[in-house]
Amino acid sequence: GQQVMQIPQYQHVQEGEDFTTYCNSSTTLSNIQWYKQRPGGHPVFLIQLVKSGEVKKQKRLTFQFGEAKKNSSLHITATQTTDVGTYFCAGIAGTALIFGKGTTLSVSS
Amino acid sequence: DAGVTQSPTHLIKTRGQHVTLRCSPISGHKSVSWYQQVLGQGPQFIFQYYEKEERGRGNFPDRFSARQFPNYSSELNVNALLLGDSALYLCASMTGGTKNIQYFGAGTRLSVL
Repeated sequence: GQQVMQIPQYQHVQEGEDFTTYCNSSTTLSNIQWYKQRPGGHPVFLIQLVKSGEVKKQKRLTFQFGEAKKNSSLHITATQTTDVGTYFCAGIAGTALIFGKGTTLSVSS
Repeated sequence: DAGVTQSPTHLIKTRGQHVTLRCSPISGHKSVSWYQQVLGQGPQFIFQYYEKEERGRGNFPDRFSARQFPNYSSELNVNALLLGDSALYLCASMTGGTKNIQYFGAGTRLSVL
């Protein structure tokens, strides 16, 4: 079945440093979604990418969808302590969302 | 408007028991999905329901079942609980359109002893 892999599993940064998480799918994706889960919380939808090579920005967050629609990345510029949490990518397989294992970001001030 | 609501928030059961988890979707959303999230992992798809019909099922044993009611709320039932069923169970609702954006509830934390 379809698998979605994310690296790194954990990332610790100093506040102000940049952060990037990468997502790779075993199959071509129709679209990819990104979610953020704060410690003790639930996943919250961030963005959906649909087009090959698409790049979307949300303030300090930049999302990219690969040309082959099999990979994606999330880049955070100048991290803040509010960015702490686990970032998941998810691809659609039929009616299900297939989530990666996530990248947990910790930020020290 | 209220978001996705789940009950109970926490639950402790013993092996072999049965559990029922409940979910109310966002008003106007007709689709509900259930996910299991084990500590340190991403959510794993269990079921999706749309207009009371099962639309998808993940790779879970028959001990897991679900249903959706006319008001679009849903129940997830797990029989013969195992220690490995301990997890956060998340319910997500969608409009049922093409975007597939999932709005998650806060989840039910199930501990099986």
